[in-house]
Amino acid sequence: DAKTTQPTSMDCAEGRAANLPCNHSTISGNEYVYWYRQIHSQGPQYIIHGLKNNETNEMASLIITEDRKSSTLILPHATLRDTAVYYCIVRVSGGSYIPTFGRGTSLIVHP
Amino acid sequence: EAGVAQSPRYKIIEKRQSVAFWCNPISGHATLYWYQQILGQGPKLLIQFQNNGVVDDSQLPKDRFSAERLKGVDSTLKIQPAKLEDSAVYLCASRPPGLAGGPADTQYFGPGTRLTVL
Repeated sequence: DAKTTQPTSMDCAEGRAANLPCNHSTISGNEYVYWYRQIHSQGPQYIIHGLKNNETNEMASLIITEDRKSSTLILPHATLRDTAVYYCIVRVSGGSYIPTFGRGTSLIVHP
Repeated sequence: EAGVAQSPRYKIIEKRQSVAFWCNPISGHATLYWYQQILGQGPKLLIQFQNNGVVDDSQLPKDRFSAERLKGVDSTLKIQPAKLEDSAVYLCASRPPGLAGGPADTQYFGPGTRLTVL
């Protein structure tokens, strides 16, 4: 199974870009990188996912290195409502898709 | 589009009692997951259903936990009897049909049920 490593916590000033790194050095060629976030007292929320190309949607951008061993989630203009735990996960290889969440990165956006 | 519904939102019981949680996934979502999230940790998968069949329940403590998904829609997770270490948030998620890892392969989570075992 591809494992991910994320910093335990980060902080960011409101209005600035938040760059959340994720290491997935054992990722397989057919595994996608997914990002979810979990705001306090809510269930996780899907943000974005990608295979090898950079991706952007209305919530964030995902930058995946050329060797696919790491990625960065970018929140271009962080707001206080972006304070949450951010999870980087990869699809587990094998016959069935069994998502595995780690401890994630606790992002605190301060005024 | 209505999201994943769960009830109750909160439950407090004493150890050795029984408890049941209910989940109604998003309409049309064939895959349903139950997760356990202990405070300070990420969600841990307990069981995964595809329609009304079990795909994976390797991390479900089968001596006390059970789950069913009759008719491939709603699902119920039961704990009998509960232990102190079962105190956690129980999350239900569903996923639309489509290739795993593909564009539609995202999970939609409910708000969870917070269980406190005294």
